[in-house]
Amino acid sequence: AQTVTQSQPEMSVQEAETVTLSCTYDTSESDYYLFWYKQPPSRQMILVIRQEAYKQQNATENRFSVNFQKAAKSFSLKISDSQLGDAAMYFCAYRRGRGGSNYKLTFGKGTLLTVNP
Amino acid sequence: EPEVTQTPSHQVTQMGQEVILRCVPISNHLYFYWYRQILGQKVEFLVSFYNNEISEKSEIFDDQFSVERPDGSNFTLKIRSTKLEDSAMYFCASSQTGTNTGELFFGEGSRLTVL
Repeated sequence: AQTVTQSQPEMSVQEAETVTLSCTYDTSESDYYLFWYKQPPSRQMILVIRQEAYKQQNATENRFSVNFQKAAKSFSLKISDSQLGDAAMYFCAYRRGRGGSNYKLTFGKGTLLTVNP
Repeated sequence: EPEVTQTPSHQVTQMGQEVILRCVPISNHLYFYWYRQILGQKVEFLVSFYNNEISEKSEIFDDQFSVERPDGSNFTLKIRSTKLEDSAMYFCASSQTGTNTGELFFGEGSRLTVL
């Protein structure tokens, strides 16, 4: 079974600084997708960034980028120029590739990010 | 911007009572999901639903749970006889497609407290 581990229950960063959230996963599959979701307080989870395992290039979305290390099964999220609105719970998630269980996301426990002004 | 809505936001119930959690997915989405998060634990997959039937369910989704799309807009999760361990935040999600890259859109969640 796939597992996703986020080893940092809480992180804090100063506004305008850079922070990296860690995520590791365990799978025997070679084809899969990885996601970072953000959940602001009392709001719904929204997708921040997505990485296809077959792509070597790290995904980037504006101030958000990932460091995907497939061999190490590591998928960290870097937030540059942190803003107050980035404060949220961040979840790392895994989804199998083609064939079976295409619908199921496996989540980590989350990292609560605080942004200090 | 369209979004998934869930009601109620918080429900308190007595052990053994039936509970129905409601969700209105995004209107042109075809795949629907329920996840739950027990306090302090991971968000866990419960069930996915497509074409008026369950497409996948987890081991958590036992006979006490059922899902239904009673009309063209609502997607419900019913817990027949609640247990203390059913206390959790329940998230509904929907996606336009069931493909690997189909983005899931989540609701804000319904907090269930079983006393």
